[in-house]
Amino acid sequence: GENVEQHPSTLSVQEGDSAVIKCTYSDSASNYFPWYKQELGKRPQLIIDIRSNVGEKKDQRIAVTLNKTAKHFSLHITETQPEDSAVYFCAAAYSGNTPLVFGKGTRLSVIA
Amino acid sequence: DGGITQSPKYLFRKEGQNVTLSCEQNLNHDAMYWYRQDPGQGLRLIYYSQIVNDFQKGDIAEGYSVSREKKESFPLTVTSAQKNPTAFYLCASSAGLAAYNEQFFGPGTRLTVL
Repeated sequence: GENVEQHPSTLSVQEGDSAVIKCTYSDSASNYFPWYKQELGKRPQLIIDIRSNVGEKKDQRIAVTLNKTAKHFSLHITETQPEDSAVYFCAAAYSGNTPLVFGKGTRLSVIA
Repeated sequence: DGGITQSPKYLFRKEGQNVTLSCEQNLNHDAMYWYRQDPGQGLRLIYYSQIVNDFQKGDIAEGYSVSREKKESFPLTVTSAQKNPTAFYLCASSAGLAAYNEQFFGPGTRLTVL
């Protein structure tokens, strides 16, 4: 089955700097890669996703890149703000009827 | 944040007792999921259901059971066979089981075994 590794487990950045979280996956059949954000005390919410037919996707200050050959994908947050502080989870799955497999999460702290 | 609810928010149980966690959604979603969240362990899938009266084991199903008698409801029972049940439990739903369907999460239930 699919296995998703996520690094780093914790990340601290100064406000305004960029943050990068990386994930690797094991199943070459996986073709859908979402990112969920969980703020303290709140439920996880989808923030961005990418399918294997594209290499990069952007939404304002966040972007996700995918390298299918190397089987890894990354979340990039630019101009970080205190409200970006949260736990971020990557996930991977084949977009057929198979459930997502999540990474272990990255706790991002943005220091003002 | 409406649409999917879990109750109770906090739950305490004694060792050896079964306990049932509630999950209800009014999003008309076909698929529902139960995850366990432990510090540093991410979201681990316990059970999922694609449709009423059908469900599948996830990665850590041992010691848990579920039912899906109604589309709106997917209760999780933590049995006495679960060796380490103290955790935060999240329920989620999506329009369909296909992975590209966004999962919407409930607020969670924190279970503590005394």
